[in-house]
Amino acid sequence: DVKVTQSSRYLVKRTGEKVFLECVQDMDHENMFWYRQDPGLGLRLIYFSYDVKMKEKGDIPEGYSVSREKKERFSLILESASTNQTSMYLCASSTLPYEQYFGPGTRLTVT
Amino acid sequence: ELKVEQNPLFLSMQEGKNYTIYCNYSTTSDRLYWYRQDPGKSLESLFVLLSNGAVKQEGRLMASLDTKARLSTLHITAAVHDLSATYFCAAFTGNQFYFGTGTSLTVIP
Repeated sequence: DVKVTQSSRYLVKRTGEKVFLECVQDMDHENMFWYRQDPGLGLRLIYFSYDVKMKEKGDIPEGYSVSREKKERFSLILESASTNQTSMYLCASSTLPYEQYFGPGTRLTVT
Repeated sequence: ELKVEQNPLFLSMQEGKNYTIYCNYSTTSDRLYWYRQDPGKSLESLFVLLSNGAVKQEGRLMASLDTKARLSTLHITAAVHDLSATYFCAAFTGNQFYFGTGTSLTVIP
């Protein structure tokens, strides 16, 4: 079974803090993705990576950066957290063209 | 940019009834995916449709894909309470998955 794990289920941070969200997958997938999920907006892609050290912007990259130094690990960084980044963050991995496997999600609250 | 529209957004149906969720997408995509999300949980893959005319079935759920009409459907047969969840479709193009906003399904006894 594919396992995608995320470093935290719940996180509370203050405005202006630097925030790191980590995602690890154990199935040797080339592709990894970070989404945020907000009510009524569905899932929106922040960044994705199709190989180590490779990254591409998704639909809403502003205020975020990513790092992929190892194939199994994809990190999302909020450089200076703001209240409008309060959301559910979902990581996924896949071997195209097959389906994505999602992690359990991190519910981030920025106060 | 590929846009994906699902309807209905909310669906309340009685146990035993049949219904269909529709997923339209705006530009060419050869692949369509369906996911289920239970409250407070992450997304779980239901179906992967990789070609025009593809049909997949699992239990009371059946998904189909018409790439010419840019339409996928998720048909629910004889609904049961356990099917209550939010269902998402996603189309794929340009190395990205584009998700619909989801259909929240409630099955009433």
